[in-house]
Amino acid sequence: NAGVTQTPKFQVLKTGQSMTLQCAQDMNHEYMSWYRQDPGMGLRLIHYSVGAGITDQGEVPNGYNVSRSTTEDFPLRLLSAAPSQTSVYFCASSYAGTGDGYTFGSGTRLTVV
Amino acid sequence: QKEVEQDPGPLSVPEGAIVSLNCTYSNSAFQYFMWYRQYSRKGPELLMYTYSSGNKEDGRFTAQVDKSSKYISLFIRDSQPSDSATYLCAMTLKRGNNRLAFGKGNQVVVIP
Repeated sequence: NAGVTQTPKFQVLKTGQSMTLQCAQDMNHEYMSWYRQDPGMGLRLIHYSVGAGITDQGEVPNGYNVSRSTTEDFPLRLLSAAPSQTSVYFCASSYAGTGDGYTFGSGTRLTVV
Repeated sequence: QKEVEQDPGPLSVPEGAIVSLNCTYSNSAFQYFMWYRQYSRKGPELLMYTYSSGNKEDGRFTAQVDKSSKYISLFIRDSQPSDSATYLCAMTLKRGNNRLAFGKGNQVVVIP
């Protein structure tokens, strides 16, 4: 099925560990974004990309890295996990970047202990 | 002041009632306005998308934008238990801008 696929769905990390959250889309969308969702905080933009090789920081980029080597994939790397990074992470993609075609993945629930 | 304000308080309504949700924003440069619906443990899905001031209808859903007051609304008519979800408003500056600013979301429960 076409859409945005995120893996893993659940993950528990120890403080200081690193990991990569995977995001892939098969809709040939140029625009991709990573958000985190916390209770009472809504969705906050971490990093985004407007095409392969182009990334930029969002509202809460500290502690996260991204790269975009292909149109399809946009992985999010946690460099040294901290309890404050416990959250639900969503990847989204769009054809035009206006929001009218944003498709979200089903999320990754991350707990850092 | 946060760019987008949405009172996150939960809302419970009886089946068939009209649900009214709203957001205010501070940045007058926002041009594109959206409402997303998010079911529990799922990703947000686009419900409504508007550009200009005024009303846009899609079935039981009406999105309203008032740029002069920096205020957007979503109305759900004849609410159904399947409408029980969290509703998030979102907006962005212009076409080609990749940054969506979200409200905190409203949890809506429709009681049969």
